Amino acid sequence: ETGVTQTPRHLVMGMTNKKSLKCEQHLGHNAMYWYKQSAKKPLELMFVYNFKEQTENNSVPSRFSPECPNSSHLFLHLHTLQPEDSALYLCASSQDQPSTDTQYFGPGTRLTVL
Amino acid sequence: AQKITQTQPGMFVQEKEAVTLDCTYDTSDPSYGLFWYKQPSSGEMIFLIYQGSYDQQNATEGRYSLNFQKARKSANLVISASQLGDSAMYFCAMREVKTGANNLFFGTGTRLTVIP
Repeated sequence: ETGVTQTPRHLVMGMTNKKSLKCEQHLGHNAMYWYKQSAKKPLELMFVYNFKEQTENNSVPSRFSPECPNSSHLFLHLHTLQPEDSALYLCASSQDQPSTDTQYFGPGTRLTVL
Repeated sequence: AQKITQTQPGMFVQEKEAVTLDCTYDTSDPSYGLFWYKQPSSGEMIFLIYQGSYDQQNATEGRYSLNFQKARKSANLVISASQLGDSAMYFCAMREVKTGANNLFFGTGTRLTVIP
């Protein structure tokens, strides 16, 4: 595996379900990110982890719960979601050197909440 | 105020022709980075090109070049010799050093369609 991988690629869930999205990066990076991409809106940064520590939480509702057990893996735990949470969820990673930081993205998980 | 503005929701280009995708940005930080990403229908954001605010020359990567006009705060992407596989959404993004390397602001994107 190379780059950034995400599973599952597609997820349909009811509002009472609990599910998790998984992201894994094979680039030796130290920072990982969750983004939400809704139709016709710019990408929204949700969470940032740097060396496994959460450094940003952009006022994301508590029904989204991130977990970063190590620098290579990032999870997004979902519970009691709303239909407006349906979106493409993108994971990214970067080396986190400020002068050359480029974020590399995974293929995303397309989430539909019924 | 919008940090990144992409005014072209959709663009068409003939195969083998060049196309310019517009991007303007807004920042008071003298140190920043500008990025372009391509997003095919599969969903993955593919990094294309980077321009630093202090770079003297316009960035180039193969068929991609960035027309950086600092005084106008524009960072247009030029794709030369368009190919059918270039059909995708294209996003311009900016990172301000003052807000830290982690905060990347994206525009709303331009959908490019390459016509055979």
